[in-house]
Amino acid sequence: GENVEQHPSTLSVQEGDSAVIKCTYSDSASNYFPWYKQELGKGPQLIIDIRSNVGEKKDQRIAVTLNKTAKHFSLHITETQPEDSAVYFCAASHHAGSARQLTFGSGTQLTVLP
Amino acid sequence: EAGVTQFPSHSVIEKGQTVTLRCDPISGHDNLYWYRRVMGKEIKFLLHFVKESKQDESGMPNNRFLAERTGGTYSTLKVQPAELEDSGVYFCASSQVRSGELFFGEGSRLTVL
Repeated sequence: GENVEQHPSTLSVQEGDSAVIKCTYSDSASNYFPWYKQELGKGPQLIIDIRSNVGEKKDQRIAVTLNKTAKHFSLHITETQPEDSAVYFCAASHHAGSARQLTFGSGTQLTVLP
Repeated sequence: EAGVTQFPSHSVIEKGQTVTLRCDPISGHDNLYWYRRVMGKEIKFLLHFVKESKQDESGMPNNRFLAERTGGTYSTLKVQPAELEDSGVYFCASSQVRSGELFFGEGSRLTVL
């Protein structure tokens, strides 16, 4: 089955700096890669996703890159703000049955220092 | 529009007892998923319902776990008897279509003493 590894487990950055979180996956059949943000006391919320036919996707201060050959994908947050502090999870799935059975990474606790 | 709601938010029980977690998906979402996060590790898939039918329960850890979705609306996840290793946060998620965005609830934290 799929295995997703996520690094780092914790990340502290100064407000305004960039943050990068990296994930690798094992199943070459995976073709959907979402990123979730979980704030304290809340459930994970989708912030951006990318499909395997695209190498990069950007949404304001957030971008995701995908390298299918190396089987890794990364989340980039620019101009970080204190409200970006949260746990971020990467995930992977393939469209077997088009269902959203996601395999998650272990999470990254991002702290943005004011 | 109400999001995915889960109850209880936190449950503390002793080993051997029974706990039932409930999930109310977003109205109209036929797809309902259960996930759990144990000991700060990754969030793991447990099972997937389409309406009242179990489509995939390959992630259910053992037969102490029973999930139901009577009538295709809300779902329950029963753990009986609970063991220490069942402690964690149980998330429910729903989507309108199989390949659609997953919307997660806030989770039910289970502590087994």
